[in-house]
Order: sequence, then C-alpha cells, then structure tokens
Amino acid sequence: DIQLTQSPSFLSASVGDTVSITCRASQGIGSYLAWYQQKSGKAPNLLIYAASTLQRGVPSRFSGGGSGTGFTLIITSLQPEDSATYYCQHLNNYPFTFGGGTTVEIK
Amino acid sequence: QVHLVESGGGVVQPGRSLRLSCAAPGLSIRDYGVHWVRQAPGKGLEWVAVISHDGSNKYYADSVKGRFSSSRDNAKNTAYLQMNSLRTEDTAVYYCAKDLTGWDHDALNIWGQGTMVIVSS
Repeated sequence: DIQLTQSPSFLSASVGDTVSITCRASQGIGSYLAWYQQKSGKAPNLLIYAASTLQRGVPSRFSGGGSGTGFTLIITSLQPEDSATYYCQHLNNYPFTFGGGTTVEIK
Repeated sequence: QVHLVESGGGVVQPGRSLRLSCAAPGLSIRDYGVHWVRQAPGKGLEWVAVISHDGSNKYYADSVKGRFSSSRDNAKNTAYLQMNSLRTEDTAVYYCAKDLTGWDHDALNIWGQGTMVIVSS
C-alpha cells in the first residue's frame, strides 16, 4: 500500500501569511492526489484534485502542485476561516490512503 | 448545498453487526463510485471501502477486509456498508462520499455529514 507523509503536522500563522504543506508518497503516484480541508466537527471538503486543479467554489488563495512523490498545498493570504485540518489523499490505486493531516492554527 | 446522508450508526457490542446507509437526496449517484471513509475520535481520516457505479467492483482497506461489505441499490439511489464482526477499533464517524466524475482515479467531491459507530461492551 502507498503511504502518505504530511509535514508539518501543525503550523501556526497569522492572517495574511502564506503557508505551505507538504505531502510525500512512498512511491510514485503521478498526479493522482487530492487535498481536503476539514473543520472541527464537519465532513472533509475537497479543495484540489489531480494535484493542482482547484475544485469549483474553492477560493483561489488555495493552490496545489507537484507530481510523482512530492506534493504541496499552498495557502496565500491566510484568512481566519482557513483554520482547519488539511489532508492529502492519493488516488493512484486502492486503498486510497490519506496523509496524517496538518492542523493550521490562526494566531 | 448538495450532500449525502448517512444513517444506521449507533452503539453495538463487539462481534455484532451494523448496516450503514448512504442516501443521496437531490442528486443521482448511479453514475458515480461511492466511498466510505472513517475517522476515529481525535484521529485522522481512514479510507475504508469503495463500490463502483454499477456495483461490479468493490475494494476494501486491509483493516476491514472480510468483515465489511459494500453494496448499492441505484433504483433507491442509496449505498450501504454492511459491517460484521465489529471490533472496538472500528469505533469512528463513518462518512460516505461520491467521486467526482465516476472515473477510477477520482477525488471525493460530495460527502455526507457522517454517522457515529461505537463498538463497546
């Protein structure tokens, strides 16, 4: 099975900052990667798929990149409503495992 | 806001069974794969299972293989997760989610609100 390692597991930043979250796959997965945002007590929400395609309705301050084994989620101009846990998920082959999550705190 | 609706969760003793349902009011899921994802209290997301749009293909996480079974009734626009031989470690919120376009490598774009399953004696 493919393992996904996210880093950092926690980050604290201020409104207006740019933050970056990394997701590394244990083997190459092409661009078969998605990013989700999960707010406390809520279901996850799809942000990005195919590594870099922004889901409809998601603010353009979210962006994704990478391919193969290394991927990045970038949030520019961080907003208070971005406080959440972010997960990557590979979609290369089953099981579609998730990364361990990155909690973003707004200072 | 279109979403899925899970039901069937509850408290059950170890070794017993439970069946979860995933309904899709307001949208047709017949052309899409349906995934099940769970989240233990205070933990991250764990992918559990998927059933293809026509029910012909099913895949499971190793942690549930042989105990859980997915099915669907497209006429009822509903998917199911039959959970047998439940263990305390199966305690989690269970989400169902549909895939984006019905393709094999799709992300999950519409989720339910989740249903809590507690396995305890």
